Amino acid sequence: GQSLEQPSEVTAVEGAIVQINCTYQTSGFYGLSWYQQHDGGAPTFLSYNALDGLEETGRFSSFLSRSDSYGYLLLQELQMKDSASYFCADPLDTGRRALTFGSGTRLQVQP
Amino acid sequence: SQTIHQWPATLVQPVGSPLSLECTVEGTSNPNLYWYRQAAGRGLQLLFYSVGIGQISSEVPQNLSASRPQDRQFILSSKKLLLSDSGFYLCAWTLPDSKGLYGYTFGSGTRLTVV
Repeated sequence: GQSLEQPSEVTAVEGAIVQINCTYQTSGFYGLSWYQQHDGGAPTFLSYNALDGLEETGRFSSFLSRSDSYGYLLLQELQMKDSASYFCADPLDTGRRALTFGSGTRLQVQP
Repeated sequence: SQTIHQWPATLVQPVGSPLSLECTVEGTSNPNLYWYRQAAGRGLQLLFYSVGIGQISSEVPQNLSASRPQDRQFILSSKKLLLSDSGFYLCAWTLPDSKGLYGYTFGSGTRLTVV
């Protein structure tokens, strides 16, 4: 089936670097999006990778490898406020105009 | 600038009662509109999306329906709620044909509890 797989939880300490992986299985792929969601809040858009390689936005970077059907979100200089759930997303179908989201990775940043 | 409004923020409804959630977008034209649902601690499940007035694509029919009576208005409805309809309902918009490039902007969500 078509899906996006992520680890359910990741724990890291303040100031560290953490990588959240996303692997996908699909017959039609456009590009990988990443969203952040704090508890009780709505998801917010972080980044989009249409092409292979690394996209950097401040402390956050996102990477895509189409040949490996794999991407990751890299968070550097972790802060307590980065504790949240992170979702990767893609339409997973060339005819579909809506994103399918992965199950999400809960990041816990510890002092 | 574009804004998205979703209401109400919280809702407690008895089983078998009707539901109407409304979402409006300001500052853009012909947006793609979406309804997602999120169970506690889980991912986002796509319910409906719309690429234009009166155009609704259903992902999970169940006992829910959606309508788009105006360009920037998206309504989620049910005639009879089930316990399993409880969850966090999120409306979102994006530019047409963007395939996620510009990101989805989500409303603040409605937390529905069916009792």
